[in-house]
Amino acid sequence: AQSVTQLGSHVSVSEGALVLLRCNYSSSVPPYLFWYVQYPNQGLQLLLKYTSAATLVKGINGFEAEFKKSETSFHLTKPSAHMSDAAEYFCASTHSGGYQKVTFGTGTKLQVIP
Amino acid sequence: DTGVSQDPRHKITKRGQNVTFRCDPISEHNRLYWYRQTLGQGPEFLTYFQNEAQLEKSRLLSDRFSAERPKGSFSTLEIQRTEQGDSAMYLCASRRTSGRRGDNEQFFGPGTRLTVL
Repeated sequence: AQSVTQLGSHVSVSEGALVLLRCNYSSSVPPYLFWYVQYPNQGLQLLLKYTSAATLVKGINGFEAEFKKSETSFHLTKPSAHMSDAAEYFCASTHSGGYQKVTFGTGTKLQVIP
Repeated sequence: DTGVSQDPRHKITKRGQNVTFRCDPISEHNRLYWYRQTLGQGPEFLTYFQNEAQLEKSRLLSDRFSAERPKGSFSTLEIQRTEQGDSAMYLCASRRTSGRRGDNEQFFGPGTRLTVL
């Protein structure tokens, strides 16, 4: 069974500050991991994905995440927050076998303060 | 590639009524998923189609819910005798079957927000 835990349902940062959103996974086999962003009343947009090729993954809009097996973590970072980054972010996982349904975390709402 | 589309975007209904949602996946995507997202939660898996075959259903999908994908293209999700607890965002996602490692991204539609009064 797989699960994803996001620490902190709400995170506030100042514009220009570092963004750090935390995600830990629990899986009996190495997972594929994703970060999605959701704007109000919108669907989910993929920011980046980890598929075991490289542990540091770069995504869109300046976001990146590092897969750390020893810590079972996949934290999302961005060096400098923009107002447009205010949204809800979901960490998610799936596996290579089976039907590959995605398991999502509960989400973290990012507030960017001007 | 016009993306995954869902219709309607919003639906308000009275308790006890039936509702039907439609999802049009990206063309040539043979895999289709339905998820439900309630307020303050992440999306939860409901059901999965590969072509026209419904291969997996979550225990969240009670007998009031039925999903179809008759020709392996668009899909419908019907809820009969709606209850207030059915109020949620219903998301559809699609992807293709690929032999390439890591080519497993699901593309999500904008969702249908259901409000049951």
